[in-house]
Amino acid sequence: NAGVTQTPKFQVLKTGQSMTLQCAQDMNHEYMSWYRQDPGMGLRLIHYSVGAGITDQGEVPNGYNVSRSTTEDFPLRLLSAAPSQTSVYFCASSVRVRYNSPLHFGNGTRLTVT
Amino acid sequence: SQQGEEDPQALSIQEGENATMNCSYKTSINNLQWYRQNSGRGLVHLILIRSNEREKHSGRLRVTLDTSKKSSSLLITASRAADTASYFCVDETSGSRLTFGEGTQLTVNP
Repeated sequence: NAGVTQTPKFQVLKTGQSMTLQCAQDMNHEYMSWYRQDPGMGLRLIHYSVGAGITDQGEVPNGYNVSRSTTEDFPLRLLSAAPSQTSVYFCASSVRVRYNSPLHFGNGTRLTVT
Repeated sequence: SQQGEEDPQALSIQEGENATMNCSYKTSINNLQWYRQNSGRGLVHLILIRSNEREKHSGRLRVTLDTSKKSSSLLITASRAADTASYFCVDETSGSRLTFGEGTQLTVNP
């Protein structure tokens, strides 16, 4: 299994541009989520999904959209990038929503918005 | 959402020494998890301790849980340079909104 795959690894955007960060997992995991990691702020939850067709907001959802049309994929869309969205983004998945399911992380996408 | 708070923020030790990191949380939990993050990589799950367990071992890792004090500790014995990483704890109550603190940055000097 490849685990959780994130693409691209690096991206530079200009303010106002849009883009989609891709996340795919091949472990048939029910739960998927997106985090952003900023210096001094730990990882903050953006959006999560408990199954295909179901998404919900996390801590910092503004400026981001998600969808979950398949079990495998959970893309994160930035509709109009802002410098405040410069961060490292991590996708994570787990077997199921309920307890005792460790998260599996991708290796991140480093995004810079100028 | 739940967020563990790690202490200390940074820890520097010599290779071969033991490293202890602490975590405090606020509400009753189902389990507490520890993760490691190497520089530039995603987090990797290390160990999960359930609320009815007091101690758990995995290789050189030892985790304790004190639910009366709402705290946990992670001990890494005989540390190696490769243990240099950030370590995070996450307390799980609902399962769907795991949130992470800033972690403890461990540096193991060769």
